[in-house]
Amino acid sequence: GQQVMQIPQYQHVQEGEDFTTYCNSSTTLSNIQWYKQRPGGHPVFLIQLVKSGEVKKQKRLTFQFGEAKKNSSLHITATQTTDVGTYFCAGPKSNYQLIWGAGTKLIIKP
Amino acid sequence: NAGVTQTPKFRVLKTGQSMTLLCAQDMNHEYMYWYRQDPGMGLRLIHYSVGEGTTAKGEVPDGYNVSRLKKQNFLLGLESAAPSQTSVYFCASSYGPRDIQYFGAGTRLSVL
Repeated sequence: GQQVMQIPQYQHVQEGEDFTTYCNSSTTLSNIQWYKQRPGGHPVFLIQLVKSGEVKKQKRLTFQFGEAKKNSSLHITATQTTDVGTYFCAGPKSNYQLIWGAGTKLIIKP
Repeated sequence: NAGVTQTPKFRVLKTGQSMTLLCAQDMNHEYMYWYRQDPGMGLRLIHYSVGEGTTAKGEVPDGYNVSRLKKQNFLLGLESAAPSQTSVYFCASSYGPRDIQYFGAGTRLSVL
């Protein structure tokens, strides 16, 4: 069946270092959404990418959608403590659902 | 504007007990979803609804039932709780099937 793989599961960084998470789908996606979940919180929508090769920026966050619309990435430049949390990608399935990646947990080393 | 509200926020059950989780949204969304979240497994869809009076099974529906009698409310029931149902449950809603999903704060359920 359709799968969305997200790597890595965890990433430990020093504050100020960069962070990247990758999302790979087994099928072509019409769009991809990214969400952030703070510790103890709930997923909150960040952005949606629709076009092949699309790149969008939100301050220090850069989102990319692959040319084949089967992969996507989120890159954070110069991480801050406010970036801590788990980042999820999600793509639509055929029957009204989203299929979710397992998430990448960003941990800032003390 | 409250968005998506879940009650209760925490609950402890004994094996075999039943309970109902309530989700209410005030955004006039057609689509509503119940997910469970377990460590390292992301979000798994339990049941969803594409409109008032309709429900459908998701990825992990066994042991759960749902009802959508009113457009703004989506109820998740556990008839006979099992320890494997210990999890965090999230409700979400969206305007359309591929639109942004808005989540409630979650219900943390422990089944002993």
